[in-house]
Amino acid sequence: AQSVTQLDSHVSVSEGTPVLLRCNYSSSYSPSLFWYVQHPNKGLQLLLKYTSAATLVKGINGFEAEFKKSETSFHLTKPSAHMSDAAEYFCVVSDKGYSTLTFGKGTMLLVSP
Amino acid sequence: DAGITQSPRHKVTETGTPVTLRCHQTENHRYMYWYRQDPGHGLRLIHYSYGVKDTDKGEVSDGYSVSRSKTEDFLLTLESATSSQTSVYFCASRSRDRGEETQYFGPGTRLLVL
Repeated sequence: AQSVTQLDSHVSVSEGTPVLLRCNYSSSYSPSLFWYVQHPNKGLQLLLKYTSAATLVKGINGFEAEFKKSETSFHLTKPSAHMSDAAEYFCVVSDKGYSTLTFGKGTMLLVSP
Repeated sequence: DAGITQSPRHKVTETGTPVTLRCHQTENHRYMYWYRQDPGHGLRLIHYSYGVKDTDKGEVSDGYSVSRSKTEDFLLTLESATSSQTSVYFCASRSRDRGEETQYFGPGTRLLVL
């Protein structure tokens, strides 16, 4: 079975500084990986996805993630945080047939002025 | 985003009463999903459907049942609600098209069981 571990439950940054949200995965096959974002009292929005093409994936709003098989990691980064980035972020892995997703427990990103 | 709506958006009910949540999608997606979201747990899969009348259990299916009589509708039923089922419920759908792995989520339903 596949699983994901988000290494930080909360991350605090100042506006304009870099963002790093860490995710490690476990899978017996080559997985598809996703990052979703959830703003307060909202649904989930796809930020980006990795599906065995380029290992560096660019998403919306300036976010990107790099798939590193040797480290079983899929960390999410952004060069410069904006106040509007404050939200909860979920790292997600799919099963082999893409039928189901397994979510990490989430990382809350706090952005201070 | 896919056109996914959920109803009701908010519900308060009492322990022991039946509750049905509805998910409706307009994208003709084959796959549909029900998740619950609880603090510290992320989203956990309750049940999913891979076609009309075809459903399967997820990680936390106990106490829940589902039905799918039409492509566009996926119903989640709590036969006898308990306080542990207080949660936010999200529906999602996905195309079966080759290479289309993305699940699209509805806005959620907040359920409070007293």
